[in-house]
Amino acid sequence: DGGITQSPKYLFRKEGQNVTLSCEQNLNHDAMYWYRQDPGQGLRLIYYSQIVNDFQKGDIAEGYSVSREKKESFPLTVTSAQKNPTAFYLCASSIDRLAGKNEQFFGPGTRLTVL
Amino acid sequence: GQNIDQPTEMTATEGAIVQINCTYQTSGFNGLFWYQQHAGEAPTFLSYNVLDGLEEKGRFSSFLSRSKGYSYLLLKELQMKDSASYLCAVRDRGYGGSQGNLIFGKGTKLSVKP
Repeated sequence: DGGITQSPKYLFRKEGQNVTLSCEQNLNHDAMYWYRQDPGQGLRLIYYSQIVNDFQKGDIAEGYSVSREKKESFPLTVTSAQKNPTAFYLCASSIDRLAGKNEQFFGPGTRLTVL
Repeated sequence: GQNIDQPTEMTATEGAIVQINCTYQTSGFNGLFWYQQHAGEAPTFLSYNVLDGLEEKGRFSSFLSRSKGYSYLLLKELQMKDSASYLCAVRDRGYGGSQGNLIFGKGTKLSVKP
């Protein structure tokens, strides 16, 4: 079955530690995205990548980093510089980014809690 | 600025019809999406509108008026499993790198009661 996987579903970390969230897709999609979702807030874009070896900052990139070394993988690192990292993180992918009814498909999410 | 407004919460009765509104003010427009999200789960795609008018898909319909910056999602014959948040998202047609990104509203939490 094609889809997007994120692991783990729940993650606990101590304050000051970096943590990497994984995102893998086997949909052969070019574009991938990371969002953050907080209670009462809409999804906010952290980073996006249109193609391998390329990525761009979204609206709230501070304190986060990404890489896109393979088409199927787009890991997100939450660094100690992120002031309020506890949130629900969603990874998504789409055929491409720009045109048409190219809806984004979402992974199941990772709930990160920083203690 | 970019702004998408939806009601925060709505309640409806099983078997009824409910309309969830979305108004938007964005620098550009290149399509509007509706997603359904059950608590703690991933959003799933419901509908897409890029031209004015109504798109129907089973019990769900979505309407768009570009001149008014307005869309609604219509759910008919409500079922308990329709209890979820409904997210409205506009594809930006901005310049430069942000072109094509989705701007999400905060979502409308729908509760369906027996």
